[in-house]
Amino acid sequence: KAGVTQTPRYLIKTRGQQVTLSCSPISGHRSVSWYQQTPGQGLQFLFEYFSETQRNKGNFPGRFSGRQFSNSRSEMNVSTLELGDSALYLCASSSYDGTGNNEQFFGPGTRLTVL
Amino acid sequence: AQKVTQAQTEISVVEKEDVTLDCVYETRDTTYYLFWYKQPPSGELVFLIRRNSFDEQNEISGRYSWNFQKSTSSFNFTITASQVVDSAVYFCALSTTGNQFYFGTGTSLTVIP
Repeated sequence: KAGVTQTPRYLIKTRGQQVTLSCSPISGHRSVSWYQQTPGQGLQFLFEYFSETQRNKGNFPGRFSGRQFSNSRSEMNVSTLELGDSALYLCASSSYDGTGNNEQFFGPGTRLTVL
Repeated sequence: AQKVTQAQTEISVVEKEDVTLDCVYETRDTTYYLFWYKQPPSGELVFLIRRNSFDEQNEISGRYSWNFQKSTSSFNFTITASQVVDSAVYFCALSTTGNQFYFGTGTSLTVIP
């Protein structure tokens, strides 16, 4: 079974631009979560999608948005990029069954650098 | 509110020493799940273990062992006879029925040969 894939792996943007990151979950997984990882901050939860619906949302500004498609693939978008958005963005998928008892499987991440 | 605390930011040990990574969690839910993940220098998080709130049995897997104590809200991870390949950042996480994961800030482990 293929793992979680994320594209692109690396991205360089300038302030004010927008960016779209893509995530393909493990086949059969319907839950996709996004995290921002910066040095010293650990993994900050962005949002979670399940069956094309955003179920949970972290404490990030509205510049961060996402969506999920019918095939469970997900995208996240960051508009009006700021220097502080430079981070590793991780996507995770799980076979959610309503209990929370499902480990999340992570992709390799997209390294975003904002200049 | 849910919270996971990993007070140890960085740990360095000499190869073959034992090392324990601490994890303390907070939740009011009676049903919850605890996880440990390893993030090697390559960056991809690797799942290590899951434990539910009703199972306080300790678990051993090779050189890895986990100690879950509800009385102290802790889920500690011990590596016995550490090896250089154990060098990584280790994350403890908590999830509840909402399927939202709460991660600690991670402990960076360096094993010195």
